[in-house]
Amino acid sequence: GEDVEQSLFLSVREGDSSVINCTYTDSSSTYLYWYKQEPGAGLQLLTYIFSNMDMKQDQRLTVLLNKKDKHLSLRIADTQTGDSAIYFCAERGLTGGGNKLTFGTGTQLKVEL
Amino acid sequence: DTAVSQTPKYLVTQMGNDKSIKCEQNLGHDTMYWYKQDSKKFLKIMFSYNNKELIINETVPNRFSPKSPDKAHLNLHINSLELGDSAVYFCASSHLNLGGGNSPLHFGNGTRLTVT
Repeated sequence: GEDVEQSLFLSVREGDSSVINCTYTDSSSTYLYWYKQEPGAGLQLLTYIFSNMDMKQDQRLTVLLNKKDKHLSLRIADTQTGDSAIYFCAERGLTGGGNKLTFGTGTQLKVEL
Repeated sequence: DTAVSQTPKYLVTQMGNDKSIKCEQNLGHDTMYWYKQDSKKFLKIMFSYNNKELIINETVPNRFSPKSPDKAHLNLHINSLELGDSAVYFCASSHLNLGGGNSPLHFGNGTRLTVT
C-alpha cells in the first residue's frame, strides 16, 4: 500500500527558514503536493511538484524531491507567525486510476517570536 | 464565491442516531471526495465519485453511505452512529485524474462530528 510519513512537530524562530520533510513508499507517484491546514479550516494547496522534477520554487516556498530515496521536503524562507499551521504532504499514485491522494501524517509548524 | 461548501460545520449527536453531511462545489469539477480526519489529524480517504459514479471506496463500514445526486453534490449519510465516528469530515473536489493527471483537490472547511 501507500504510506506517507512526516515528523510531527517543528519549531522555528520568526525570520528563520523552516524545512518540513516527508517520505513516501509508492513507486508509481506522479505528483506530490504540499497542503497547509490552519486551525478550524480546510486544507489549502500550497504547491506541487511533478515526479520527474527535482526542485520547484514558488516565492518563499522551495520543494525538493529525491525520487530515488522517495523523499520530499518543503522549505519556507523567512518564516512568519502566519505560517504556523499543520503542513501535509500528499502523493498521487496510480491507485484508483490516479484519483487517490494519500496524505502524510502532518507536521505541526510553530513559529516563535 | 467559488468554493467547496459543507454543512453543517458542527454536528453533535448521540450514539445510535442517523445523520447526514452535505457537500456542494461550484468549481465545475466532476469528481468529489470524502476524507476523514481523526483526532491525531490523520487524513484518510473514504470515497470518491466521478459524475455520480463511485470510483474509490476504501474500507469503510457499511453504515457510511455516500450519495451523489449530480456531479456538484456529494452527501454523506451515516447510520447508527458510534463513538469512534467522532472526527472531522472533509469534502473535496477536483477534475478527474486519469493515470497521470494533475488536478489538485480543493477542500471544504470540514464538518466536526461529535458522537456522545
